[in-house]
Amino acid sequence: QVQLVQSGAEVKKPGASVKVSCEASGYTFTSHGISWVRQAPGQGLEWMGWISGYNGDTNYAQKLQGRVTMTTDTSTSTAYMEVRSLRSDDTAVYYCARVTQYLGTSRFDYWGQGTLVTVSS
Amino acid sequence: QSVLTQPPSVSAAPGQKVTISCSGSSSNIGNNYVSWYQQFPGTAPKLLIYDNNKRPSGIPDRFSGSKSGTSATLGITGLQTGDEADYYCATWDSSLSAWVFGGGTKLTVL
Repeated sequence: QVQLVQSGAEVKKPGASVKVSCEASGYTFTSHGISWVRQAPGQGLEWMGWISGYNGDTNYAQKLQGRVTMTTDTSTSTAYMEVRSLRSDDTAVYYCARVTQYLGTSRFDYWGQGTLVTVSS
Repeated sequence: QSVLTQPPSVSAAPGQKVTISCSGSSSNIGNNYVSWYQQFPGTAPKLLIYDNNKRPSGIPDRFSGSKSGTSATLGITGLQTGDEADYYCATWDSSLSAWVFGGGTKLTVL
């Protein structure tokens, strides 16, 4: 069965960086992309970006351009998401989600369990 | 402020039907497929509806989706207390070149 297992909670100081991992299993990693979605406390879902599992192409949300980097390691079927220059409003649960897309449509069909990132001095 | 507009909350009695609306524009809902996600407190979202009206395996047919113009609707019939959750619509926005989510709707089954 498809599973996405994320790394554990992190506490960071403002200005620091955080890197969250998402290990995939149960499917061919290179056949699907991975999106990252975050959710601030008590708030809705915010799409952060997407990375191709096939060739590493990326598409980042404009709001996060320059502060976020998404990468993959196909040898371990793991996706990574790094946010730099952390601010207090980056405090959120970060989710990875598998993207299934074909013929002009796509969806987030499997999700990781989430990783809480707390930014506090 | 979300690009897609959902009502903050809806409620209905057990056994009844409820609909949740999601309003957008021609750059998102009007020209792209809509998906819906269910999220229980403290857990990850779960895909409920994709391609406007398709259900993934395992999702009961009490859940349905539709789209008309620049709006989409999630319908839930035979409401159960276990359906109490937050529901989010999502789609691709061609102008932003980004996925966008609705602000979410909290469903209360009275």
